[in-house]
Amino acid sequence: GQNIDQPTEMTATEGAIVQINCTYQTSGFNGLFWYQQHAGEAPTFLSYNVLDGLEEKGRFSSFLSRSKGYSYLLLKELQMKDSASYLCAVKDSNYQLIWGAGTKLIIKP
Amino acid sequence: DVKVTQSSRYLVKRTGEKVFLECVQDMDHENMFWYRQDPGLGLRLIYFSYDVKMKEKGDIPEGYSVSREKKERFSLILESASTNQTSMYLCASSPAQEWSQGAFNTEAFFGQGTRLTVV
Repeated sequence: GQNIDQPTEMTATEGAIVQINCTYQTSGFNGLFWYQQHAGEAPTFLSYNVLDGLEEKGRFSSFLSRSKGYSYLLLKELQMKDSASYLCAVKDSNYQLIWGAGTKLIIKP
Repeated sequence: DVKVTQSSRYLVKRTGEKVFLECVQDMDHENMFWYRQDPGLGLRLIYFSYDVKMKEKGDIPEGYSVSREKKERFSLILESASTNQTSMYLCASSPAQEWSQGAFNTEAFFGQGTRLTVV
């Protein structure tokens, strides 16, 4: 079966750095997405990786290793507004998106 | 500013009722999707559509149907609501970057969600 695993919940301190991991087992791979979802709101796009390596976008970076079936989202200089759920999703060989359950990130002052 | 609008934020319906969830996008996107989101589970695809009057089953289509009569509107129908359909329903749209089923290699835009409670 197809599977996306990410931690259920993480806690970090304002101003710190946090890394949210995502491992996947899918039938084929056509890219990996990270989305942010604040409570009660729509998911919004953060990043897309299809090649190995690190993609940096301001305070957020996303890393992919296709050989390991692994990605992480790195958030630097954490702000209270970063408290949200972070969703990992992989596009499989049929171009269907397979979603992880999401990681709830709690930021403490 | 791109927008996907779902008709209701909150709905309470009785078991056995026919329920309509409406979604409208203003971005001229070809692809539209309906997901449900439950605690501890990832987004699960119910149905998707890649063109007007076209529809494809997702992973959990049982108990649902859809309608896409116009490009901008994608409706989800619960034929006879049941308590196990209590959930958050999310609509999304994306442009057709490639010929594929329910696929996109660019970002999808989501609506705010409809929290449906069936009692």
